[in-house]
Amino acid sequence: AQTVTQSQPEMSVQEAETVTLSCTYDTSESNYYLFWYKQPPSRQMILVIRQEAYKQQNATENRFSVNFQKAAKSFSLKISDSQLGDTAMYFCAFMKPVEGSRLTFGEGTQLTVNP
Amino acid sequence: DADVTQTPRNRITKTGKRIMLECSQTKGHDRMYWYRQDPGLGLRLIYYSFDVKDINKGEISDGYSVSRQAQAKFSLSLESAIPNQTALYFCATSDTRTVNQPQHFGDGTRLSIL
Repeated sequence: AQTVTQSQPEMSVQEAETVTLSCTYDTSESNYYLFWYKQPPSRQMILVIRQEAYKQQNATENRFSVNFQKAAKSFSLKISDSQLGDTAMYFCAFMKPVEGSRLTFGEGTQLTVNP
Repeated sequence: DADVTQTPRNRITKTGKRIMLECSQTKGHDRMYWYRQDPGLGLRLIYYSFDVKDINKGEISDGYSVSRQAQAKFSLSLESAIPNQTALYFCATSDTRTVNQPQHFGDGTRLSIL
């Protein structure tokens, strides 16, 4: 079974600065997908960014980018120019397509952006 | 209107009661999922369904049951609630035709069992 580990339960950053959230995973598969979800206090689960394992290029969505290191099984999220609205719980998730698109989540990292 | 709707949004009940959490979707997706979220544990899969005739257990199905009444409806039941089932519960959907697409989540049901 796959496991996903987020080793930083809490992080904080000053507004406008850059922060990186860590995620590592364990799998023997070669084809899979990785996601970062954001959960603000409203408790919605909002997709931030996704990465296909077969793509070497790191995904980018506006201020959000990932550093995908397949050999190291690492998938970190970088948030540039942090905004107060980025304050949320962030979850890293793994998906193996052949398992019915089930998601395996990490424990989550609570990010606080300070003014 | 939300694409994935969960009811109720919040629920407080007592140990031993039967509880049903409901999920409906307008996205036309065939796959539906139930997760529970606990602090420090992330989200864990309870049950998932590929269609109305296909129900599968997830990693923590004990104490729960589900029913897929139609393609758009997937309910989760706690036959006899216990306090350690207090959690935030999420329903999610996905489409078989787009396996690399992320799941779409409802807004969650916060369940407290006293």
